[in-house]
Amino acid sequence: GESVGLHLPTLSVQEGDNSIINCAYSNSASDYFIWYKQESGKGPQFIIDIRSNMDKRQGQRVTVLLNKTVKHLSLQIAATQPGDSAVYFCAERGKLSFGAGTTVTVRA
Amino acid sequence: EPEVTQTPSHQVTQMGQEVILRCVPISNHLYFYWYRQILGQKVEFLVSFYNNEISEKSEIFDDQFSVERPDGSNFTLKIRSTKLEDSAMYFCASSGTGTNSPLHFGNGTRLTVT
Repeated sequence: GESVGLHLPTLSVQEGDNSIINCAYSNSASDYFIWYKQESGKGPQFIIDIRSNMDKRQGQRVTVLLNKTVKHLSLQIAATQPGDSAVYFCAERGKLSFGAGTTVTVRA
Repeated sequence: EPEVTQTPSHQVTQMGQEVILRCVPISNHLYFYWYRQILGQKVEFLVSFYNNEISEKSEIFDDQFSVERPDGSNFTLKIRSTKLEDSAMYFCASSGTGTNSPLHFGNGTRLTVT
C-alpha cells in the first residue's frame, strides 16, 4: 500500500482565507518530503520541500510543517487565491508513487 | 527557467498501433521518469531511468512498454500495441539527483486510443 496519504480528498476555501492541507506518512525513516500542485490540464508542479532536520519551511505564501513525532506533514497556503485551485500531492524521498491528492477549490 | 517539454500534446491512435511519446528533460538532469494519469484518477508511476537503464518500474509497465534515451536530449516512451485502457495523460519528469530532489514534470501528452 501507499506510505504517504492525504487526509481529505477535497477542501473548499473562501478566497483570502488560509488553507491547510494535511498528509500522513508511515515510514519513520523518511527524511525528505515534497509538495506538488497539479492544475487542471497540466503536469504536477513542485511547490516546496522539506528535510527531516527541519520542522518548518516557508516559501512564497506557502509553509510546510513537519511533525516527525506523529509522522504528519501539512501545507499551509496564506491568503488563498483563485489560482491556488488545484490538486495537491505530498511525496516522500524514495517513493515514486503519489497519493490521490487533495482537490482545493477556492470560492470567490 | 528550464522546463521539461513533451510532444505531441495530444496523440490519437487506433487500438493495436504503436505509439512513441517524446520528452526533452531538463538538460543537466540525470534521472528520468514516466507517469500516467487516467482521467479522474491519480498520477501513477510507470518507470524511472538512470544511466541508460531502467532503475525501477511499476506493475503497469509491462512488456508492451519500453523506454529509450536515443540521444543526449530525448527520452521516449513506446507502447507497442495500444489498448483502449492505455488512454490517459502521460507525464514525463526529470530530476537532478534522483529521489533526493524534486521531480520536474512536463505538461503531458494526452493519448487517446480508439
